[in-house]
Amino acid sequence: QVQLVESGGGVVQPGRSLRLSCAASGFTFSSHGMHWVRQTPGKGLEWVAVISYDGRNEYYADSVKGRFTISRDNSKNTLFLQMNSLRTEDTAVYFCAKESRLGAVTGYFDYWGQGTLVTVSS
Amino acid sequence: EIVLTQSPATLSLSPGERATLSCRASQSVSSYLAWYQQKPGQAPRLLIYDASNRATGIPARFSGSGSGTDFTLTISSLEPEDFAVYYCQQRSDWPPFTFGPGTKVDIK
Repeated sequence: QVQLVESGGGVVQPGRSLRLSCAASGFTFSSHGMHWVRQTPGKGLEWVAVISYDGRNEYYADSVKGRFTISRDNSKNTLFLQMNSLRTEDTAVYFCAKESRLGAVTGYFDYWGQGTLVTVSS
Repeated sequence: EIVLTQSPATLSLSPGERATLSCRASQSVSSYLAWYQQKPGQAPRLLIYDASNRATGIPARFSGSGSGTDFTLTISSLEPEDFAVYYCQQRSDWPPFTFGPGTKVDIK
């Protein structure tokens, strides 16, 4: 069965960095685009970034562009989110999510991890 | 950026009743709309994609309809496990993919 397990969350001061990981299993990781989506009580669900199945294409929400980088290691079935210059408003639960279809990015998320909490606070 | 609004914010119903949830887009998204269910402490679960297609394993009591800017998720007869928050999401014009603020279906 499909499993996505996030790790790397924690408490970090504003301006610092954090790297999230998402270990995938139960499907052909290298054939699917992957996303990061975050959730806060106040702003609900917010899409953060997507990376294509082969890692060649990346897209970001304006709120994180230039600060966050999505990447993947298909040899290790792992997705990453490097978060730099963190702000208090980045505080959220971060989910990795799998693209529903093979190949191209379609923007439907058929499996999600359980999420990892990132708290940005001084 | 396409903005999605959902109504009502909260829907109070009893098990066995019919639930009708609405999602409206700020501009046409064609049929590129999905619905997700989220229970406390859990990740969202894909229910419906392309406005009316049920995702794998989703019971037939869940149905979606609509196109353009107005969409509906219907739960024909609420089961106890259906009380949750429901989000709509568009993939028509991206980035970004955007979500609605959610409708909470709670027990009356």
